[in-house]
Parts: sequence; structure tokens; C-alpha cells
Amino acid sequence: DQQVKQNSPSLSVQEGRISILNCDYTNSMFDYFLWYKKYPAEGPTFLISISSIKDKNEDGRFTVFLNKSAKHLSLHIVPSQPGDSAVYFCAASGDQGGKLIFGQGTELSVKP
Amino acid sequence: NAGVTQTPKFQVLKTGQSMTLQCAQDMNHNSMYWYRQDPGMGLRLIYYSASEGTTDKGEVPNGYNVSRLNKREFSLRLESAAPSQTSVYFCASSSPTSGSYEQYFGPGTRLTVT
Repeated sequence: DQQVKQNSPSLSVQEGRISILNCDYTNSMFDYFLWYKKYPAEGPTFLISISSIKDKNEDGRFTVFLNKSAKHLSLHIVPSQPGDSAVYFCAASGDQGGKLIFGQGTELSVKP
Repeated sequence: NAGVTQTPKFQVLKTGQSMTLQCAQDMNHNSMYWYRQDPGMGLRLIYYSASEGTTDKGEVPNGYNVSRLNKREFSLRLESAAPSQTSVYFCASSSPTSGSYEQYFGPGTRLTVT
């Protein structure tokens, strides 16, 4: 049973436009959500996070939105740049021990 | 600071061989994790160690063992490798007791079992 789902395996956008990556979860006990970015042949790197007590968190060009009633979060990248091309994973935690449950990933391609 | 380091970067094994993947972190984190990444599956937790001296199973522990050697080092052992264990393995560390859930990942080990 996939507790964290990213239903779009890939997304292609033009440079300068908005990229929106989506993530759904099923476990209402999750209280912390994170986005990671992964380039080929490298480990994932942390991008941005949000606590369940908030519905929005911004960091420069990256904004994460959380809709708890819909059990849905999204990552907005504005404006998108070719260097943003990577695989993006969402992850969730409801565990005081810090364990994360990851989605399958979405491969973003930003075209010049 | 090197962050999280993993050795080796690449490994090819024959079915039935054994090997140990090494991981070390220099961020003084309490918790360490081992994941595997397979196409279309995201990252799946194999084992984790919430603190020095403790280890627990994750989502996919079968065929693996771990050792938390000290606070810095967490190794993953394949006793008898199988083709189904062909994957990319990532080690990560974090300090959730300090309120931070971000995990920091190593560069990965690409393992092929023939």
C-alpha cells in the first residue's frame, strides 16, 4: 500500500514558466512533509519542507502548499530554470524517530 | 565537512556472494538510514538506526543485515546476494531529536548482482 504517491512520472515545462509537482498521501498521522531533488548519479538533496500546522512555505523560487483535508501537497517552482531539471521526490513523516516515506518521484524537464 | 560518505561507489557481485556497504557521517547526527532506489519505486527504507546501539527494520529488510558501529558509521551487509538486490543504495543521516526531520544523503552505491 503506497502511503505517498506521485502520480505523474514526468513533467515538461518551458524555461521561465511555472512548474507544479503534485503529491498525495493516505496516512492522516503524517505531520511533516519534505521535497527532495535528485540529479543522476547523485544522492537526493533536501529542497523545502512544511509542517502540518502550516499550509504554505516559501523559499526563494520554491513554494510548497499543503491541503490537509485533501491529503495533498504541491511544489511550485517559479520561474523554472533548465538547472531545475531533475527528479523530485516528496516524502512524509509521522514518526518521532524521523523515518520518511517517499513517493515514486517525478522527473521534471525544463526546456530552454 | 564531507557530510555523508559511502563506499564503494560501484560493485558487481555474483549470486551468492556477500559484501558490506559502508556509510559514515560527520554531522554528529543520531539517526542513520539505509534505502534502496529502484526504477518507479522511489526510495524504500531497508533498515534504520535511531541512535547508537539500536537498529530496526524498515519496509524491505529481507536479505540484509546492518551494524551501527558507532555514532558515525552504519554498515549494510548482504550475506548472499540475489539478482533482486540489484539496485542503487543510499545511506542517510538526520537528527530528529533536535526537531529537524531533514535527512542528508550520501552519493549512493550502484550494485549489480548477476
